Amino acid sequence: AQSVAQPEDQVNVAEGNPLTVKCTYSVSGNPYLFWYVQYPNRGLQFLLKYITGDNLVKGSYGFEAEFNKSQTSFHLKKPSALVSDSALYFCAVRDINLPFNGQNFVFGPGTRLSVLP
Amino acid sequence: DVKVTQSSRYLVKRTGEKVFLECVQDMDHENMFWYRQDPGLGLRLIYFSYDVKMKEKGDIPEGYSVSREKKERFSLILESASTNQTSMYLCASSSDSLNEKLFFGSGTQLSVL
Repeated sequence: AQSVAQPEDQVNVAEGNPLTVKCTYSVSGNPYLFWYVQYPNRGLQFLLKYITGDNLVKGSYGFEAEFNKSQTSFHLKKPSALVSDSALYFCAVRDINLPFNGQNFVFGPGTRLSVLP
Repeated sequence: DVKVTQSSRYLVKRTGEKVFLECVQDMDHENMFWYRQDPGLGLRLIYFSYDVKMKEKGDIPEGYSVSREKKERFSLILESASTNQTSMYLCASSSDSLNEKLFFGSGTQLSVL
């Protein structure tokens, strides 16, 4: 079964500094990888996804993520953090070699990002 | 853009009450999902549906049931609400494509007293 780990419950970064939110995954086959963001009192919003091709994926709001197959990681990055980036971030994985069903889309526990002014 | 609408943003119910959470999507998606979100536990799948009248149990179906009579609507039912069902409930939908993302509603914060 696939799984997702986000090793940090909380990440604090100063405004203007680069940020990284870490994600590692485990699948038996090839992964599709996703990042979602949740602002306070809201549902999850899609940020970006990796399906195939270039290992560096660019998404919404200036975020990008780097797929590293050897390290089974998909870390989310942004060159210059904004206070408005403060939110809860979820990494998710789908194993493309398994039949589609709702359980074949696994979320990590989430990482709370706080950007300090 | 896809819109997934959950009927209530906040809901307060009493223990033992029957609770209905409604979700409607407007993009003709085949798949719909109900998740529960609790601090430190992330999102846990309760039920999903891949077609009208079709449903599959997720990771934590106990105490819940679902109904999908029309393609656009997916209802979550708590037959007899309990305090341990106090949580944020998120509905999502997606097309059948494997690389398609999930689209989420804004969530319903349910408190069972």
